[in-house]
Amino acid sequence: QKEVEQDPGPLSVPEGAIVSLNCTYSNSAFQYFMWYRQYSRKGPELLMYTYSSGNKEDGRFTAQVDKSSKYISLFIRDSQPSDSATYLCATGAAGNNRKLIWGLGTSLAVNP
Amino acid sequence: KAGVTQTPRYLIKTRGQQVTLSCSPISGHRSVSWYQQTPGQGLQFLFEYFSETQRNKGNFPGRFSGRQFSNSRSEMNVSTLELGDSALYLCASSPSEAIDTQYFGPGTRLTVL
Repeated sequence: QKEVEQDPGPLSVPEGAIVSLNCTYSNSAFQYFMWYRQYSRKGPELLMYTYSSGNKEDGRFTAQVDKSSKYISLFIRDSQPSDSATYLCATGAAGNNRKLIWGLGTSLAVNP
Repeated sequence: KAGVTQTPRYLIKTRGQQVTLSCSPISGHRSVSWYQQTPGQGLQFLFEYFSETQRNKGNFPGRFSGRQFSNSRSEMNVSTLELGDSALYLCASSPSEAIDTQYFGPGTRLTVL
């Protein structure tokens, strides 16, 4: 079993839909959680970062962490065609700043 | 500011050869990390350099090595290439140790035939 599981999709939604992307993790030592977006032929870019349970909102994006069930989610409201990309979750333990454990990514297509 | 640049963008090699990839970080960034990305394994951390010293290392064989120069530019080398080394190699730079300050380059796509 991988330490971080993420449904690879692909996920296809109409423009304006609410998108829910999810990851589960197995190591309770993981303390920080991140969501990256990766466009084709580009490197990942950080979207959201949180280290506590609960919700964190940034514009149309909301990251949710439930440490009790080891479940992390990213919600995208009013999705746009420009949101079409692969979304990667990543997590890690304190003291291992660069040794993030990554999900395989979920491919999202938002159709106009 | 210019972003992280990686050269070359695409590379084709044959088994047994060696390859060197280059990364120029964002100006002022002293930390450079390298990652391997494959469809089956996703992103995996290779190593991190800070001020010319390797600070962290992932679980890759010794065929994978790297170095950082005094101007923060970094190179990674893979010797005795295997088919399984075909991947996107990503470089990320950071101005600090903070986890949320990594900026990725576009990557080098390596194909081993």
